Amino acid sequence: DTGVSQDPRHKITKRGQNVTFRCDPISEHNRLYWYRQTLGQGPEFLTYFQNEAQLEKSRLLSDRFSAERPKGSFSTLEIQRTEQGDSAMYLCASSQTMGQSYGYTFGSGTRLTVV
Amino acid sequence: DAKTTQPPSMDCAEGRAANLPCNHSTISGNEYVYWYRQIHSQGPQYIIHGLKNNETNEMASLIITEDRKSSTLILPHATLRDTAVYYCIALKTSYDKVIFGPGTSLSVIP
Repeated sequence: DTGVSQDPRHKITKRGQNVTFRCDPISEHNRLYWYRQTLGQGPEFLTYFQNEAQLEKSRLLSDRFSAERPKGSFSTLEIQRTEQGDSAMYLCASSQTMGQSYGYTFGSGTRLTVV
Repeated sequence: DAKTTQPPSMDCAEGRAANLPCNHSTISGNEYVYWYRQIHSQGPQYIIHGLKNNETNEMASLIITEDRKSSTLILPHATLRDTAVYYCIALKTSYDKVIFGPGTSLSVIP
């Protein structure tokens, strides 16, 4: 395992289009988190999963956003009817709740630009 | 989780020790102090964590005061690649939801 993978690295889309991002966590990690980060700000929590269950969603996650982790492995984050304000870096992280753990492992992120 | 307070920015000369402070005066007895850093255009990276004893790993040292109300992350010989935003967070477990504050932007200067 080489870490947390996110795809694509960059996405440019027109306002009103739908986009989907994928995150592949470290295989033995049962928790998966999504964050959003805009320029000059710290990452903002969006949602997290334990296995396939979505345990918490931030109020930042409007009804245009949906996240899934269908088999408890990879996860997708979809944004419908994108707006310019959705332009940001979307970060995924994973961790485990059992055994020795040293915090989250983050991916390199997907940078979304809505034009 | 306890709130943490960090200076917004710091400079450090290359090769010198960088000492990054963090206040966490309301930390509870079962909360750890975690440090992450984020280099420009990358995801945050875990550095180190501790409960009450000082900790050291290959990246940094963490000094926690006896009353646990503050701590200092030490990068013993800062390099230009240590230029990043450093986040101090209080968490009960490594897998708790992490709420990032603004952190400290460290600039290592040649």
